[in-house]
Amino acid sequence: DAGVIQSPRHEVTEMGQEVTLRCKPISGHNSLFWYRQTMMRGLELLIYFNNNVPIDDSGMPEDRFSAKMPNASFSTLKIQPSEPRDSAVYFCASRLGEGSRETQYFGPGTRLLVL
Amino acid sequence: AQSVSQHNHHVILSEAASLELGCNYSYGGTVNLFWYVQYPGQHLQLLLKYFSGDPLVKGIKGFEAEFIKSKFSFNLRKPSVQWSDTAEYFCAVNAASGTYKYIFGTGTRLKVLA
Repeated sequence: DAGVIQSPRHEVTEMGQEVTLRCKPISGHNSLFWYRQTMMRGLELLIYFNNNVPIDDSGMPEDRFSAKMPNASFSTLKIQPSEPRDSAVYFCASRLGEGSRETQYFGPGTRLLVL
Repeated sequence: AQSVSQHNHHVILSEAASLELGCNYSYGGTVNLFWYVQYPGQHLQLLLKYFSGDPLVKGIKGFEAEFIKSKFSFNLRKPSVQWSDTAEYFCAVNAASGTYKYIFGTGTRLKVLA
């Protein structure tokens, strides 16, 4: 299995531009998570999907952020408009099952720099 | 609210030195505990996890962690580190009552000198 796949791996954009991050979870996994990692705040959960349905988006910083999961094999995280403080590494993770003991598997991350 | 504290932000060791990274959590109920490792430029990988039973958990690459309930701690240890252990280490917790939400610590950057 290729693991969780994220694209792009690196993104540099200017303030005000729209940014779309993509994630393909491990085949068969039914839970998907988006995280943001910064030096100041560490690893924060942004949103969680189960069976393609958003369950908890309380971690989404503001309305500029949106996430979708149109099917079991694809999810997007969009920032519009982007701001310099959005610069971070964004990780996607997937998990099989809903139990709290299930391991989350992380993708390689997208390193976003907003100028 | 749940929280996880990793007090050591940066640790530098020589090869063969022993390692202990601290992790304390705040939560009133039963928890599951995890340690993840992130090698430079790579994604997070699970090192070990604790759900119940023997509080001393052994993971991959010679790492182990001990759950001390009375101290709300889950410290990571390795008797003899190698240069290849240079990485960032994250402690995480979630509630054992079936929630999905991991709470991560801010991480500890370990540098092992050859």
